[in-house]
Amino acid sequence: KAGVTQTPRYLIKTRGQQVTLSCSPISGHRSVSWYQQTPGQGLQFLFEYFSETQRNKGNFPGRFSGRQFSNSRSEMNVSTLELGDSALYLCASRHPGLAGGSSYNEQFFGPGTRLTVL
Amino acid sequence: AQKVTQAQTEISVVEKEDVTLDCVYETRDTTYYLFWYKQPPSGELVFLIRRNSFDEQNEISGRYSWNFQKSTSSFNFTITASQVVDSAVYFCALSPVPSSGSARQLTFGSGTQLTVLP
Repeated sequence: KAGVTQTPRYLIKTRGQQVTLSCSPISGHRSVSWYQQTPGQGLQFLFEYFSETQRNKGNFPGRFSGRQFSNSRSEMNVSTLELGDSALYLCASRHPGLAGGSSYNEQFFGPGTRLTVL
Repeated sequence: AQKVTQAQTEISVVEKEDVTLDCVYETRDTTYYLFWYKQPPSGELVFLIRRNSFDEQNEISGRYSWNFQKSTSSFNFTITASQVVDSAVYFCALSPVPSSGSARQLTFGSGTQLTVLP
C-alpha cells in the first residue's frame, strides 16, 4: 500500500501570500489530520477531517483552513502568510475502524511539506 | 488540558550503550492513549508504540522497551545496545480515548534529539 503523500514537499512564499498544501491519505483511510511543526512551538494539532467534515480544530487563527474531498484527499490553506508560518506541515491519515469512530487506529504520517515564508 | 513533557532536549551516546528517553504527561482523562514516534532527518513521523492507560504492562520489542507507570504519569522508552541508525528525534504523545465523533488529536512533547555516535 502506498503511504501518505504530501505535495509539494518544499515551498517558498513571501509574506502576505497564500498557500495551499495537499495530502493524499492511505487508500481506505477516511480521517486526515494536519499538524504544524516549528522549532519554537513543536508539533501542534491544526485540524482533523473525517468524511469531508471538520471534527476538531486546534488553537490556530482563522487564516488556517482546510477541507476534505469525497475521495478523502485533504487540502489546507494558509492565507496572508506571516514569517511565523514557516514550518513543516505534517498530514496524518487513519482508518476509521469498524464502528466508524469509537476505536483507536494508528495515524500514519506523511513526509511533510516544508514551508518557508520570506 | 493535556500536556506532555520530555525534559531531555538532547542525548548523545556511543554505539552499543543503552539509553532511556523520559516522558511525563498530564491529563484529566481517566483513560487515554500514549505513544512514541520517531522522526528521522527525512521528517516523517514513524509510529513506534501505542499504550492504553489501563494496560500497565511493560512492553519489549527487539531492542526497544517501554516502561509505563501510571502512578508517576510516566512512559519512558529505552533503547538497548543503541545503533547509529537510532539517531533521530523521538516524540512522546498523548491522545484521549475516542468516542464516536470525537477528535483524536495527539498532544506531543517537545521531543528528544538522540545522537548515537559510532
